[in-house]
Amino acid sequence: EPEVTQTPSHQVTQMGQEVILRCVPISNHLYFYWYRQILGQKVEFLVSFYNNEISEKSEIFDDQFSVERPDGSNFTLKIRSTKLEDSAMYFCASSELESPVTNEQFFGPGTRLTVL
Amino acid sequence: AQKITQTQPGMFVQEKEAVTLDCTYDTSDPSYGLFWYKQPSSGEMIFLIYQGSYDQQNATEGRYSLNFQKARKSANLVISASQLGDSAMYFCAMREGSGTASKLTFGTGTRLQVTL
Repeated sequence: EPEVTQTPSHQVTQMGQEVILRCVPISNHLYFYWYRQILGQKVEFLVSFYNNEISEKSEIFDDQFSVERPDGSNFTLKIRSTKLEDSAMYFCASSELESPVTNEQFFGPGTRLTVL
Repeated sequence: AQKITQTQPGMFVQEKEAVTLDCTYDTSDPSYGLFWYKQPSSGEMIFLIYQGSYDQQNATEGRYSLNFQKARKSANLVISASQLGDSAMYFCAMREGSGTASKLTFGTGTRLQVTL
């Protein structure tokens, strides 16, 4: 069964460093998303991406964040200068259909980011 | 106002019993979808069940069913014949509207503990 994959599973970085979180969505999916979950809290939407551009972003997704689909398979989230409060689990998700209201988003296993 | 409200931070259920996890939602959009995800201690997000706002019947998937009461704006998850492996966090989520790449908005979750 096709699945969303994410690398690395755990990333430890120093405050102020740049990190890139990588995702490989399911191959025929058209819509891509990043969510984050601070430990013990709910999952929060960061950004959605379609047709090589951002569709929607939350207030969390400030200038420190960027997304990119550098090739036909990868979808990346970059944090330019990490802060302590960026420590969280980051989930990538993808979905397929043109009618997203009825469509499931498939989540990857997550990348746990720890900023020291 | 919260878009998704889960009022039960924690629930206990005995093995083989049924349990209901509550979820209420708030939207003015006539077109929306409601999702339940399971998050075990390993952290991944597992899709369980979906209910569309126009669906006439309550959704069912194996031991999971969704008690959808549109007038009350509630979408409770019912797990029948609980198993020890059902112990996890459970998140209710909503997608609103019919725009492309619509985000999911999550509730705060309910931690379910299944006991012997």
